Amino acid sequence: QLQLQESGPGLVRPSETLSLTCTGSGGSITSKSFYWGWIRQSPGKGLEWIGATYHIGSTYYNPSLTSRATISVDTSKNQFSLRLASVTAADTALYYCAVPEIPADGDDAYDVWGQGTLVTVSS
Amino acid sequence: QSVLTQPPSVSAAPGQKVTISCSGSSSNIGTNYVSWYHQLPGTAPKLLIYDNNKRPSGIPDRFSGSKSGTSATLDITGLQTGDEADYFCGTWDTSLRAVVFGGGTKLTVL
Repeated sequence: QLQLQESGPGLVRPSETLSLTCTGSGGSITSKSFYWGWIRQSPGKGLEWIGATYHIGSTYYNPSLTSRATISVDTSKNQFSLRLASVTAADTALYYCAVPEIPADGDDAYDVWGQGTLVTVSS
Repeated sequence: QSVLTQPPSVSAAPGQKVTISCSGSSSNIGTNYVSWYHQLPGTAPKLLIYDNNKRPSGIPDRFSGSKSGTSATLDITGLQTGDEADYFCGTWDTSLRAVVFGGGTKLTVL
């Protein structure tokens, strides 16, 4: 069964770029999934979709982050990544990677999640 | 301010039924599929319902989803103390070209 694991620095300085990688194990991230997404959750807050990249080559981002976020996939490494530029304290959050393995018609059915990684933005 | 509106909290006694609502608009719930997640403290969200009313393997039929117009509903019957969690609805928003989530509803099983 596919499992996901986020990795990256837990502390990022303001104005720098946050870089996270999501690595799949126990299966291929491309065998059943057609899009690969990142979601974050600020402490004590709700879920915020950052964006997702699709197998057809399209990538969509939260409009509030589109100018700063970049999501890419490296199928050879069974990984996909998130880069978020010019971070501020407001970007401090638990960052999750997630993919759908179920054959859903919707674009929001993430059934496989990483455990999440806390990123703090502070000098 | 979330694009989808959920009540901040709901509560009910063990064994009872609870309904969590999710209100949106014609650009999101009105034209796209809805998913529901629950999140236990300290854990990643878990998919409960997708495509409005489908359950992933392993999710008990105590959980059911429905959609009507620009609103969606999650029903949980036979409440258990282990159901205490935060519940989120989500869907694609055609105008924003993005997935949007509700603000979350905290379920308390009294």
